[in-house]
Amino acid sequence: DIVMTQTPLSSPVTLGQPASISCRSSQNLVHGNGNTYLTWLRQRPGQPPRLLISKISNRFPGVPDRFSGSGAGTDFTLTISRVEAEDVGIYYCMQATHFPWTFGQGTKVEIK
Amino acid sequence: QVQLVESGGGVVQPGKSLRLSCAASGFIFRNHGMHWVRLAPGKGLEWVAVISNDGSERYYGDSVKGRFTISRDNSKNTLYLQVDSLRAEDTAVYYCVKEAGWGGLDDNWGQGTLVTVSS
Repeated sequence: DIVMTQTPLSSPVTLGQPASISCRSSQNLVHGNGNTYLTWLRQRPGQPPRLLISKISNRFPGVPDRFSGSGAGTDFTLTISRVEAEDVGIYYCMQATHFPWTFGQGTKVEIK
Repeated sequence: QVQLVESGGGVVQPGKSLRLSCAASGFIFRNHGMHWVRLAPGKGLEWVAVISNDGSERYYGDSVKGRFTISRDNSKNTLYLQVDSLRAEDTAVYYCVKEAGWGGLDDNWGQGTLVTVSS
């Protein structure tokens, strides 16, 4: 199975400052069809997860443009350009290239 | 508007079984693969299983393989998860999620159903 490793696991950030989360996969995530199925999600307590980014860098509708994704192969990054209070939560990367699909451990973003 | 309503959760003893259901509406159910994803308290998200649109293909996460069975009834627009031989570590909120056209998970999730395994 593909192991997804996120760093850091906790990220205290100052409002208005940038934040980034790294996600590394144990295998290359390029599918045979050429797509890389790396997704970023955020989960808040008591709520279902919300999808933020698909296929490395495509924002889902309604996701603010301060969120961006980048990377290739086995190394990926989610960046929040200027953190706002509503951005707190646990962020996960997930690979959907190979079965079984797997998630990273999660990174808790909180305000300092 | 996509709507997914999970049900069937509850408190169950270790070793027992439950059947979770997910009633789908707002899209053509028979055209989409469907997934179960779970979130254990204090732990992270875990992908559980997927079933193809016609039910011909199924895949499972390692921790549930051999104990859980995903199925669907396209005539009823309903997804199921039969969970057998339950363990304490299966305690989680279980979400059903539609597969999106781009190949991953859709952004419309239900509220989930809580399964608590406890003696």
